[in-house]
Amino acid sequence: GENVEQHPSTLSVQEGDSAVIKCTYSDSASNYFPWYKQELGKGPQLIIDIRSNVGEKKDQRIAVTLNKTAKHFSLHITETQPEDSAVYFCAETGTASKLTFGTGTRLQVTL
Amino acid sequence: DSGVTQTPKHLITATGQRVTLRCSPRSGDLSVYWYQQSLDQGLQFLIQYYNGEERAKGNILERFSAQQFPDLHSELNLSSLELGDSALYFCASSVGVGQETQYFGPGTRLLVL
Repeated sequence: GENVEQHPSTLSVQEGDSAVIKCTYSDSASNYFPWYKQELGKGPQLIIDIRSNVGEKKDQRIAVTLNKTAKHFSLHITETQPEDSAVYFCAETGTASKLTFGTGTRLQVTL
Repeated sequence: DSGVTQTPKHLITATGQRVTLRCSPRSGDLSVYWYQQSLDQGLQFLIQYYNGEERAKGNILERFSAQQFPDLHSELNLSSLELGDSALYFCASSVGVGQETQYFGPGTRLLVL
């Protein structure tokens, strides 16, 4: 079945530094890769997504890269701010609609 | 605010009981998904409905069932509750089926005592 591995499980960076979270997947049919941010007490919020026909996508301080050959994709956050502190989840979906999620990365941005 | 609403926000009940969780999708969305989030299992897909019909099933227990009504709202029914059913239950919606963006609601926190 589908499996998504996510690393690291926790990440602490200083304000202004960059943060990188990596995910690998196993299903070669996967072709949609969203990233969600979850703050305490809230539901997952989509922050960026990428489809398999694109290698990189950027939205202000957030970027996602996809390597379909190696079956991995990464989230990059530049110039981190305290409000970036949250749990981040990668996910994938292929022919089915259901999302398979990674295990989450708790990002802490310190002053 | 994603536009997806869920009620109730919190639910405390006892083992063996039955509860119903409710979800209203974003305006215009025909697909509704249910996910369970627990500390040991993470975020797990339970079931999807599209325009009133069951579309896909995940690792949903037989004690759990769902439906989507003509007005597109959905209900998740959990029966014979066990301690291990304590979790956050999220509803998400999308316009259609396939690789579409899913928008999540704020969740229902279920505590089974």
